Amino acid sequence: DTGVSQNPRHKITKRGQNVTFRCDPISEHNRLYWYRQTLGQGPEFLTYFQNEAQLEKSRLLSDRFSAERPKGSFSTLEIQRTEQGDSAMYLCASSFRQTPSYNEQFFGPGTRLTVL
Amino acid sequence: AQKITQTQPGMFVQEKEAVTLDCTYDTSDQSYGLFWYKQPSSGEMIFLIYQGSYDEQNATEGRYSLNFQKARKSANLVISASQLGDSAMYFCAMREDLVDSGAGSYQLTFGKGTKLSVIP
Repeated sequence: DTGVSQNPRHKITKRGQNVTFRCDPISEHNRLYWYRQTLGQGPEFLTYFQNEAQLEKSRLLSDRFSAERPKGSFSTLEIQRTEQGDSAMYLCASSFRQTPSYNEQFFGPGTRLTVL
Repeated sequence: AQKITQTQPGMFVQEKEAVTLDCTYDTSDQSYGLFWYKQPSSGEMIFLIYQGSYDEQNATEGRYSLNFQKARKSANLVISASQLGDSAMYFCAMREDLVDSGAGSYQLTFGKGTKLSVIP
């Protein structure tokens, strides 16, 4: 399967613990996005990488959140000192700019985080 | 103001019938794209169809078509010949190219979704 993969699929943690999620995009895709989806809502943009450069961060991404994409391949999203409000599905997407106006994003299966 | 509005929290459709899911959007950009994604209970977002702001013809992909009315800022999804496997959440999303500000990250802004249930 050559789609976007995310690990782990589920994570349960206690409040105050740190967690790290991994996303492996489609291999030739140079753009990578992280979104967060809470119950009953659509996904909300968190951050965006073009190759290894983090070019945009949402105001939703507090200081407790950090994302990296070393070497422009896989990406990690770390949440420090988790809070119950961090409980959500964390979605990763990737795309490759083929034309100026298309840029379809392919999503991974998501990591569901539960903070107790 | 919400950038993407989906006014139907839930919809029911009889199998083999057509259904329209509504989406209106708000942007001051001239260049933007509109997407529809399907999210089954498994959670993965599945791309269905795309319409660019400069596209003059409505997009079609198999049983999916997008009814694009630019002046009304609406981008409704039409699913023809509904199947049981179409039961899922459907999200409308917009990509603003932000050409003037040079901020084109191409992030997607999603609506709250419509839950479609297909009845046998």
